Amino acid sequence: LAKTTQPISMDSYEGQEVNITCSHNNIATNDYITWYQQFPSQGPRFIIQGYKTKVTNEVASLFIPADRKSSTLSLPRVSLSDTAVYYCLVEAMDTGRRALTFGSGTRLQVQP
Amino acid sequence: EAQVTQNPRYLITVTGKKLTVTCSQNMNHEYMSWYRQDPGLGLRQIYYSMNVEVTDKGDVPEGYKVSRKEKRNFPLILESPSPNQTSLYFCASSLFGLAGGPSLGETQYFGPGTRLLVL
Repeated sequence: LAKTTQPISMDSYEGQEVNITCSHNNIATNDYITWYQQFPSQGPRFIIQGYKTKVTNEVASLFIPADRKSSTLSLPRVSLSDTAVYYCLVEAMDTGRRALTFGSGTRLQVQP
Repeated sequence: EAQVTQNPRYLITVTGKKLTVTCSQNMNHEYMSWYRQDPGLGLRQIYYSMNVEVTDKGDVPEGYKVSRKEKRNFPLILESPSPNQTSLYFCASSLFGLAGGPSLGETQYFGPGTRLLVL
């Protein structure tokens, strides 16, 4: 299974760009990288998913280098409402089953 | 509205008293899963189901049972709850049960959570 490592916490200010990096050294060929956002007392919510290079949607970008051993979630111009915990997830097929590995999460605090 | 629902949302029980937490999705998803979330440990997978009648253990299955008799429902059963099962539980579902290639990655949709306290 591909384990993930993320920073425990990050601080930022409104309007800044925030980059959160996740390490997944043992990622396999068919693994996907997905990021989720979680607010207190709510279930995680999908942000973005990628396999390689760069993916962008209306809320974030995901950068994955060629070796795929890490990935970086980029949040442009954060606001107070982006204060949340962000999880990096590697979705793998391990010995025939769908193995899901969540990182411990990065707590992002956005200050005014 | 497409959603995953869980019941109950909050539950206080005593050691050894069997309980069931229900999970239902209305999106015709094949894959369903249960997670527990504990401070400092993130989300850990308990059980998952690739499709009807097919279930398998996740990372922390001890003390839990599941069943998948129909596509939309995936109840979590604690036959004899213990205090170390006090946690926040999430059910999730996704369209397909396999992530077999670059075009098949599937996101998961999570329920609102069930907060369980075992005394």
